[in-house]
Amino acid sequence: EAGVAQSPRYKIIEKRQSVAFWCNPISGHATLYWYQQILGQGPKLLIQFQNNGVVDDSQLPKDRFSAERLKGVDSTLKIQPAKLEDSAVYLCASTKVVGPEAFFGQGTRLTVV
Amino acid sequence: SQQGEEDPQALSIQEGENATMNCSYKTSINNLQWYRQNSGRGLVHLILIRSNEREKHSGRLRVTLDTSKKSSSLLITASRAADTASYFCATRGANSKLTFGKGITLSVRP
Repeated sequence: EAGVAQSPRYKIIEKRQSVAFWCNPISGHATLYWYQQILGQGPKLLIQFQNNGVVDDSQLPKDRFSAERLKGVDSTLKIQPAKLEDSAVYLCASTKVVGPEAFFGQGTRLTVV
Repeated sequence: SQQGEEDPQALSIQEGENATMNCSYKTSINNLQWYRQNSGRGLVHLILIRSNEREKHSGRLRVTLDTSKKSSSLLITASRAADTASYFCATRGANSKLTFGKGITLSVRP
Protein backbone atom coordinates (compact mmCIF):
# COMPACT_ATOMS: atom_id res chain seq x y z
CA GLU A 1 0.00 0.00 0.00
CA ALA A 2 1.45 3.37 -1.03
CA GLY A 3 1.84 5.90 1.74
CA VAL A 4 0.87 9.57 1.93
CA ALA A 5 2.79 11.52 -0.69
CA GLN A 6 3.79 15.13 -0.23
CA SER A 7 5.67 17.55 -2.41
CA PRO A 8 7.91 19.41 -2.47
CA ARG A 9 10.11 18.13 0.38
CA TYR A 10 11.83 21.47 0.86
CA LYS A 11 10.98 25.03 -0.12
CA ILE A 12 12.74 28.33 0.53
CA ILE A 13 10.90 31.55 -0.28
CA GLU A 14 11.15 35.20 0.58
CA LYS A 15 8.57 36.81 2.83
CA ARG A 16 5.51 38.11 1.01
CA GLN A 17 5.89 35.46 -1.71
CA SER A 18 3.32 32.71 -2.17
CA VAL A 19 3.82 28.96 -1.91
CA ALA A 20 1.74 25.84 -2.41
CA PHE A 21 2.08 22.34 -1.02
CA TRP A 22 0.54 19.20 -2.44
CA CYS A 23 -0.67 16.04 -0.73
CA ASN A 24 -1.90 12.73 -2.12
CA PRO A 25 -3.44 10.63 0.68
CA ILE A 26 -3.67 6.88 0.88
CA SER A 27 -6.26 5.55 -1.54
CA GLY A 28 -9.66 5.21 0.06
CA HIS A 29 -8.89 7.41 3.06
CA ALA A 30 -11.77 9.83 3.47
CA THR A 31 -10.23 12.09 6.10
CA LEU A 32 -7.27 14.35 5.31
CA TYR A 33 -5.42 16.63 7.72
CA TRP A 34 -2.91 19.44 7.27
CA TYR A 35 -0.67 20.18 10.25
CA GLN A 36 1.92 22.86 10.88
CA GLN A 37 4.88 21.79 13.01
CA ILE A 38 7.21 24.53 14.19
CA LEU A 39 10.65 23.33 15.27
CA GLY A 40 10.56 21.82 18.74
CA GLN A 41 6.77 21.81 18.97
CA GLY A 42 3.97 19.35 18.36
CA PRO A 43 1.91 19.34 15.16
CA LYS A 44 -0.83 21.98 15.12
CA LEU A 45 -3.95 21.14 13.15
CA LEU A 46 -4.63 23.66 10.40
CA ILE A 47 -7.49 22.05 8.54
CA GLN A 48 -9.35 18.75 8.39
CA PHE A 49 -11.29 17.47 5.36
CA GLN A 50 -13.85 14.70 5.23
CA ASN A 51 -13.98 13.73 1.54
CA ASN A 52 -14.00 17.19 -0.08
CA GLY A 53 -15.77 19.01 2.73
CA VAL A 54 -14.10 21.00 5.52
CA VAL A 55 -14.71 19.56 9.00
CA ASP A 56 -12.47 21.89 11.01
CA ASP A 57 -10.46 24.94 9.97
CA SER A 58 -10.65 26.84 13.23
CA GLN A 59 -6.87 27.27 13.47
CA LEU A 60 -6.24 28.10 9.83
CA PRO A 61 -5.11 31.75 9.40
CA LYS A 62 -7.62 32.41 6.70
CA ASP A 63 -6.24 35.82 5.77
CA ARG A 64 -3.19 34.12 4.25
CA PHE A 65 -3.74 30.35 4.22
CA SER A 66 -6.14 28.46 1.99
CA ALA A 67 -6.66 24.78 1.30
CA GLU A 68 -8.76 22.68 -0.99
CA ARG A 69 -9.34 19.02 -1.62
CA LEU A 70 -10.34 18.33 -5.17
CA LYS A 71 -12.81 15.48 -5.72
CA GLY A 72 -12.11 14.22 -2.22
CA VAL A 73 -8.62 12.95 -3.10
CA ASP A 74 -5.58 15.22 -3.53
CA SER A 75 -5.23 18.38 -1.51
CA THR A 76 -3.27 21.61 -1.80
CA LEU A 77 -2.36 24.07 0.94
CA LYS A 78 -1.41 27.60 -0.09
CA ILE A 79 0.16 30.48 1.78
CA GLN A 80 -0.12 33.96 0.31
CA PRO A 81 1.67 36.10 1.35
CA ALA A 82 4.16 34.21 3.51
CA LYS A 83 5.55 35.59 6.75
CA LEU A 84 8.75 34.69 8.58
CA GLU A 85 6.74 32.91 11.28
CA ASP A 86 5.33 30.50 8.68
CA SER A 87 8.70 28.72 8.63
CA ALA A 88 7.79 25.19 9.70
CA VAL A 89 7.23 21.66 8.49
CA TYR A 90 3.82 21.17 6.91
CA LEU A 91 2.54 17.66 7.42
CA CYS A 92 -0.29 15.94 5.63
CA ALA A 93 -2.03 12.92 7.12
CA SER A 94 -4.95 10.71 6.17
CA THR A 95 -7.20 8.21 7.89
CA LYS A 96 -10.15 6.02 7.12
CA VAL A 97 -13.47 7.54 8.14
CA VAL A 98 -13.28 7.23 11.92
CA GLY A 99 -11.29 5.60 14.68
CA PRO A 100 -8.00 4.25 13.39
CA GLU A 101 -4.60 5.80 13.28
CA ALA A 102 -3.42 8.56 10.98
CA PHE A 103 -0.78 7.96 8.33
CA PHE A 104 1.60 10.83 7.76
CA GLY A 105 3.60 11.98 4.80
CA GLN A 106 7.25 13.02 5.13
CA GLY A 107 6.27 16.67 5.26
CA THR A 108 7.36 19.82 3.46
CA ARG A 109 9.96 21.93 5.22
CA LEU A 110 9.27 25.59 4.48
CA THR A 111 11.82 28.29 5.19
CA VAL A 112 10.73 31.91 4.79
CA VAL A 113 13.62 34.38 4.60
CA SER B 1 -4.60 24.75 20.71
CA GLN B 2 -2.74 21.74 22.12
CA GLN B 3 -4.96 19.14 23.73
CA GLY B 4 -2.32 16.83 25.16
CA GLU B 5 0.48 17.80 27.49
CA GLU B 6 3.33 15.32 27.72
CA ASP B 7 5.60 14.89 30.69
CA PRO B 8 8.56 15.00 30.97
CA GLN B 9 9.62 17.22 28.08
CA ALA B 10 12.89 15.35 27.74
CA LEU B 11 14.07 11.95 28.95
CA SER B 12 17.54 10.41 28.78
CA ILE B 13 18.07 6.78 29.71
CA GLN B 14 20.56 3.95 29.24
CA GLU B 15 19.93 1.22 26.70
CA GLY B 16 18.05 -1.64 28.32
CA GLU B 17 16.20 0.59 30.79
CA ASN B 18 12.49 1.29 30.65
CA ALA B 19 11.12 4.64 29.52
CA THR B 20 7.87 6.02 30.91
CA MET B 21 6.13 9.00 29.33
CA ASN B 22 2.95 10.65 30.52
CA CYS B 23 0.24 12.59 28.78
CA SER B 24 -2.61 14.64 30.18
CA TYR B 25 -5.51 16.02 28.19
CA LYS B 26 -8.41 18.36 28.76
CA THR B 27 -11.58 17.32 26.96
CA SER B 28 -13.44 14.06 26.41
CA ILE B 29 -11.98 11.70 23.84
CA ASN B 30 -12.89 8.74 21.65
CA ASN B 31 -9.38 7.36 21.73
CA LEU B 32 -5.81 8.32 22.54
CA GLN B 33 -2.85 7.49 20.37
CA TRP B 34 0.93 7.66 20.65
CA TYR B 35 3.17 8.54 17.74
CA ARG B 36 6.93 8.57 17.21
CA GLN B 37 8.85 11.04 15.10
CA ASN B 38 12.45 10.55 14.11
CA SER B 39 14.40 13.68 13.29
CA GLY B 40 13.33 15.17 9.97
CA ARG B 41 10.67 12.56 9.36
CA GLY B 42 6.90 12.28 9.47
CA LEU B 43 5.06 10.80 12.43
CA VAL B 44 4.56 7.07 12.79
CA HIS B 45 1.66 5.58 14.71
CA LEU B 46 2.66 3.36 17.63
CA ILE B 47 -0.43 2.36 19.56
CA LEU B 48 -4.06 3.35 20.08
CA ILE B 49 -6.21 2.93 23.18
CA ARG B 50 -9.95 3.49 23.13
CA SER B 51 -11.76 5.47 25.80
CA ASN B 52 -13.36 2.30 27.22
CA GLU B 53 -10.01 0.52 27.55
CA ARG B 54 -7.59 0.81 30.45
CA GLU B 55 -4.46 -0.92 29.18
CA LYS B 56 -3.04 -2.06 25.86
CA HIS B 57 0.14 -3.87 24.87
CA SER B 58 2.02 -4.03 21.60
CA GLY B 59 5.45 -5.64 21.59
CA ARG B 60 7.65 -3.59 23.96
CA LEU B 61 4.97 -0.92 24.31
CA ARG B 62 2.41 -0.67 27.08
CA VAL B 63 -0.10 2.15 27.23
CA THR B 64 -2.56 2.91 30.00
CA LEU B 65 -5.50 5.28 30.04
CA ASP B 66 -7.28 6.81 33.03
CA THR B 67 -10.25 8.77 31.75
CA SER B 68 -11.19 9.94 35.26
CA LYS B 69 -7.83 11.70 35.51
CA LYS B 70 -7.67 12.48 31.79
CA SER B 71 -4.20 10.97 31.59
CA SER B 72 -2.28 8.29 29.77
CA SER B 73 1.15 6.77 30.07
CA LEU B 74 3.38 5.04 27.55
CA LEU B 75 5.96 2.54 28.74
CA ILE B 76 8.73 1.35 26.46
CA THR B 77 10.48 -1.66 27.97
CA ALA B 78 14.08 -2.72 27.34
CA SER B 79 14.84 0.44 25.38
CA ARG B 80 17.22 0.46 22.42
CA ALA B 81 19.29 3.21 20.84
CA ALA B 82 16.89 3.05 17.89
CA ASP B 83 14.08 4.21 20.20
CA THR B 84 15.71 7.66 20.29
CA ALA B 85 13.05 9.97 18.88
CA SER B 86 10.29 12.42 19.82
CA TYR B 87 7.08 10.91 21.14
CA PHE B 88 3.67 12.56 20.92
CA CYS B 89 0.32 11.72 22.39
CA ALA B 90 -2.71 12.58 20.29
CA THR B 91 -6.36 12.59 21.22
CA ARG B 92 -9.21 11.91 18.85
CA GLY B 93 -12.42 13.62 19.77
CA ALA B 94 -15.60 14.57 18.04
CA ASN B 95 -15.61 14.68 14.22
CA SER B 96 -12.37 12.65 14.18
CA LYS B 97 -10.37 15.73 15.13
CA LEU B 98 -6.84 14.54 15.98
CA THR B 99 -4.98 16.88 18.33
CA PHE B 100 -1.34 16.49 19.35
CA GLY B 101 0.65 17.43 22.42
CA LYS B 102 4.00 19.17 22.46
CA GLY B 103 6.02 15.99 22.57
CA ILE B 104 8.72 14.28 24.60
CA THR B 105 12.30 13.92 23.40
CA LEU B 106 13.68 10.51 24.32
CA SER B 107 17.41 9.83 24.14
CA VAL B 108 18.62 6.28 24.66
CA ARG B 109 22.35 6.06 25.32
CA PRO B 110 24.14 2.97 23.97
